[in-house]
Amino acid sequence: QVQLQESGPGLVKPSETLSLTCSVSGGSVNSQTYYWSWIRQPPGKRLEWFGYIYDTGRATYNPSLQSRISMSLDVSKNQLSLRLRSVTAADTAVYYCARGELRSLGWLDLWGQGTLVAVSS
Amino acid sequence: EIVLTQSPDTLSLSPGERATFSCRASQSISSTYFAWYQQKPGRAPRLLIYASYNRATGIPDRFSGSGSGTDFTLAISRLEPEDFAVYYCQQYGGSPWTFGQGTKVEIK
Repeated sequence: QVQLQESGPGLVKPSETLSLTCSVSGGSVNSQTYYWSWIRQPPGKRLEWFGYIYDTGRATYNPSLQSRISMSLDVSKNQLSLRLRSVTAADTAVYYCARGELRSLGWLDLWGQGTLVAVSS
Repeated sequence: EIVLTQSPDTLSLSPGERATFSCRASQSISSTYFAWYQQKPGRAPRLLIYASYNRATGIPDRFSGSGSGTDFTLAISRLEPEDFAVYYCQQYGGSPWTFGQGTKVEIK
């Protein structure tokens, strides 16, 4: 049974770079069947999609965020990572990693539990 | 960006009743590119429906999805106690993929 587990710093200062990882157990991040996404949910707001990554690291990003984000896969650690540069209070949110099937990009059938990140000085 | 607007914001119903709620897109979407999720407090979203009407693995048949173009609907035929939650729609036909603001189904 595949499980996803996010981890992160919990608190980040404004203007710094947020780094998150998502550990995948029971499956492989370089699967030819699945892609991986990051999604966040600011308090009381709707879900926001960051982008997806698959294979050896091919990625597509949300156009409104792509100037600040990068995603990567670490096959040796079986993890995916997200970096978000120049954070502000508006980046305070619960961050989720999720999985979907490459045969039909879009829907996400497995999610991690999420990790809360607060941006504050 | 395709904006999804869900209605109503909150639905107050009793167990055993039928629930129906909507999601309207700011532009037309192929029914292939539409999904619904359920989220309970403190939990991650769970995929219910993909490609407008296909139930995800393990989702009971009291959940059904329909719609096309700009109007999509999720129905729960008979509410069970575990169905009281927030429901989100999602489109993945245009970039970026976007979500609705959610409909909360609460116990009346």
